[in-house]
Amino acid sequence: NAGVTQTPKFQVLKTGQSMTLQCAQDMNHNSMYWYRQDPGMGLRLIYYSASEGTTDKGEVPNGYNVSRLNKREFSLRLESAAPSQTSVYFCASSEETGGAKNIQYFGAGTRLSVL
Amino acid sequence: SQQGEEDPQALSIQEGENATMNCSYKTSINNLQWYRQNSGRGLVHLILIRSNEREKHSGRLRVTLDTSKKSSSLLITASRAADTASYFCATDAEGNFNKFYFGSGTKLNVKP
Repeated sequence: NAGVTQTPKFQVLKTGQSMTLQCAQDMNHNSMYWYRQDPGMGLRLIYYSASEGTTDKGEVPNGYNVSRLNKREFSLRLESAAPSQTSVYFCASSEETGGAKNIQYFGAGTRLSVL
Repeated sequence: SQQGEEDPQALSIQEGENATMNCSYKTSINNLQWYRQNSGRGLVHLILIRSNEREKHSGRLRVTLDTSKKSSSLLITASRAADTASYFCATDAEGNFNKFYFGSGTKLNVKP
């Protein structure tokens, strides 16, 4: 049972380059999330998708775009990477947003460095 | 600003001792959750407590919630070296219960 799978695991970019982080879940969850975690800090919500076909901004959406490709997949795109986007990115999924069904299952993370 | 904040930031104890971590938050919530993160890994859900519950147990974990003080505590009893990890509280928040906010975490070190 794979759960939540993120690719790639590591990435180094130069300032101004673009890239897409991929996330897929096999738990038939409706809701998916992208977070970033900076050293010594908790997770901050970038974007989330409450259900297939919808996306909404989280706490720190600037500089990112997302696509809910289908129920399984939720991608995060950096159009023009900046050093401030150096972070560890986590994708998560849950049965629903809000309420007791919002228990989140996390991927292993993507470690991104922007030089 | 973040909805939840944990205290202490770091905690070091001997194996067998109990570990207590606290979390404070700012607005009304539907529920509060605790997660564990081992070094270099993703987060793993530990326990969820609803806003109308005051205490919940799961194995060696005990969580309390005081909505009047907007605070929660996580107690790990009889700690083991394998409990060494960072622990985060997470809540939704009044105004948009679809969003989820994590605290900055407590780093627990259990010495064998």
